[in-house]
Amino acid sequence: ETGVTQTPRHLVMGMTNKKSLKCEQHLGHNAMYWYKQSAKKPLELMFVYSLEERVENNSVPSRFSPECPNSSHLFLHLHTLQPEDSALYLCASSRGSRNTGELFFGEGSRLTVL
Amino acid sequence: GEDVEQSLFLSVREGDSSVINCTYTDSSSTYLYWYKQEPGAGLQLLTYIFSNMDMKQDQRLTVLLNKKDKHLSLRIADTQTGDSAIYFCAESSEWSNAGKSTFGDGTTLTVKP
Repeated sequence: ETGVTQTPRHLVMGMTNKKSLKCEQHLGHNAMYWYKQSAKKPLELMFVYSLEERVENNSVPSRFSPECPNSSHLFLHLHTLQPEDSALYLCASSRGSRNTGELFFGEGSRLTVL
Repeated sequence: GEDVEQSLFLSVREGDSSVINCTYTDSSSTYLYWYKQEPGAGLQLLTYIFSNMDMKQDQRLTVLLNKKDKHLSLRIADTQTGDSAIYFCAESSEWSNAGKSTFGDGTTLTVKP
């Protein structure tokens, strides 16, 4: 138990569906992240939310839409995805800026796009 | 941009020591991390080292840092089958305002009985 909970753990969706991934952290951290982990590719930072900033990786397609209603919850809204978007989506949290930067990861949401 | 490189695979016998190596390019890297990922799970922080340190030991784990060569290693003593996993090296820089880290591709460690 890392203190970061992701739901659902597994998701299968068609290209026309709309779904959301949810992440919740119980660690009192003030920064949260979405990472994409694909086979044979390095871990890719998609979005960062912290008290200081929201950072987006400009290479992330607009069919991925993040939402961070408060410091404990982070969502990733998915719509009209492509099969190449199939991957493990990892949420992480940290204490935020000017700290040692350790990331605490959830167990991931395995997404399959048909 | 920053780059972190690791060898992709390592295989050892149970009871032997494992050494996983990593190189990075960002000279402003302040914190260097080792994460472990078991099958079907997220990444778990194993240990980290500040760039002003040469070595850090934590039970069976020893981290060595050669800042001049930008080389980081993780030694696992008395490797067990439960150590089989993917190990990621990562770095972050003090200037980074959101604790962002750059990750290597991961080294898959296989421990044979």
